Amino acid sequence: DGGITQSPKYLFRKEGQNVTLSCEQNLNHDAMYWYRQDPGQGLRLIYYSQIVNDFQKGDIAEGYSVSREKKESFPLTVTSAQKNPTAFYLCASSARGHDYGYTFGSGTRLTVV
Amino acid sequence: GNSVTQMEGPVTLSEEAFLTINCTYTATGYPSLFWYVQYPGEGLQLLLKATKADDKGSNKGFEATYRKETTSFHLEKGSVQVSDSAVYFCALSSPYNQGGKLIFGQGTELSVKP
Repeated sequence: DGGITQSPKYLFRKEGQNVTLSCEQNLNHDAMYWYRQDPGQGLRLIYYSQIVNDFQKGDIAEGYSVSREKKESFPLTVTSAQKNPTAFYLCASSARGHDYGYTFGSGTRLTVV
Repeated sequence: GNSVTQMEGPVTLSEEAFLTINCTYTATGYPSLFWYVQYPGEGLQLLLKATKADDKGSNKGFEATYRKETTSFHLEKGSVQVSDSAVYFCALSSPYNQGGKLIFGQGTELSVKP
């Protein structure tokens, strides 16, 4: 079955470390997105990509970086410049056209220790 | 710009009660409208959608009707269960949204007590 896979489910980061969150989809979707969710809060867009080798900043891109070298993959790196990285991170993908909505992964919970 | 406004939570109901979660939107043109559900510790799942005015989306006993005259897409269920406890997000998609992004409401937490 097609879907979108995020790994790992739980991730612990020490202060000053960079960590990379994986997002892979086999839905043949063109667009992919990264969101951050804090407890009791809504979704905030970090980065998105509509096509391979191209991506745009969302509302809270500072301290994060992404790449889109393959259509199936959109990894997110949380850098040491992100001062408050503890959060739940969600990856999503969508087909072209505005009738389809997003398919979400199951999320990665990142904790700074 | 486009936006979505949901009623604030948390909403607490007894099992078998009637549920309404209000959602209104502001959008250019004719957006598509969605309801997503998020169970604790999980990602969001598409619950239902409607792509044109007067369409009714339905799934798992939940319904929502796309009302262009009132710019609303309220979520309803006739008899909630404990298993419906989750956070519900209303969202819109429009060809005028930069990058094809969905615009989400802030989410409404629903708690159903036995």
